[in-house]
Amino acid sequence: GESVGLHLPTLSVQEGDNSIINCAYSNSASDYFIWYKQESGKGPQFIIDIRSNMDKRQGQRVTVLLNKTVKHLSLQIAATQPGDSAVYFCAETLLPTDKLIFGTGTRLQVFP
Amino acid sequence: DSGVTQTPKHLITATGQRVTLRCSPRSGDLSVYWYQQSLDQGLQFLIQYYNGEERAKGNILERFSAQQFPDLHSELNLSSLELGDSALYFCASSVASGGTYEQYFGPGTRLTVT
Repeated sequence: GESVGLHLPTLSVQEGDNSIINCAYSNSASDYFIWYKQESGKGPQFIIDIRSNMDKRQGQRVTVLLNKTVKHLSLQIAATQPGDSAVYFCAETLLPTDKLIFGTGTRLQVFP
Repeated sequence: DSGVTQTPKHLITATGQRVTLRCSPRSGDLSVYWYQQSLDQGLQFLIQYYNGEERAKGNILERFSAQQFPDLHSELNLSSLELGDSALYFCASSVASGGTYEQYFGPGTRLTVT
């Protein structure tokens, strides 16, 4: 079933290409950021996180970049696969609270 | 499968009614969170419990309340329901609180108020 809104910004990429999903966060004091992936009919799933004392963090096929000057976060997915099709959310928080503030989300569509 | 379970999966009820959503956290997790996901508001944090005590509160309406029981499962009570309460309600859990602890989300309860 439909999990999220129908009017999300959408990024369409071809299978095998790299994807870049952007997020503008709201609070300049936020010091911990997380990217989540939400597939249709499921709850959000943790992808990668980064603390504000870092500019870049790499995981398996994913990289998160943080630019605190302009309050911008990006998620790069290398060699995008059909299974990457989902809605991607960034979230921010100010430690030590656990209260996550989510962005509006971006829908990633991967076509063959 | 995140290990977090939520019941029921779907709930249809009428305006003015009261419902209870249930969440069982992952084994060993002490912290439980509730989120609401609606088409117009996106994902919003409602409330967090840690080991039975309320730890943080978000934009939770006064008509909504929650609790965490000694066995660590949690319930979210929604009363005097309005059409605008129709949404997906997610529960998440983490092993602890106050740090960079990964939150694991359940599959959600879809509430439809008619």
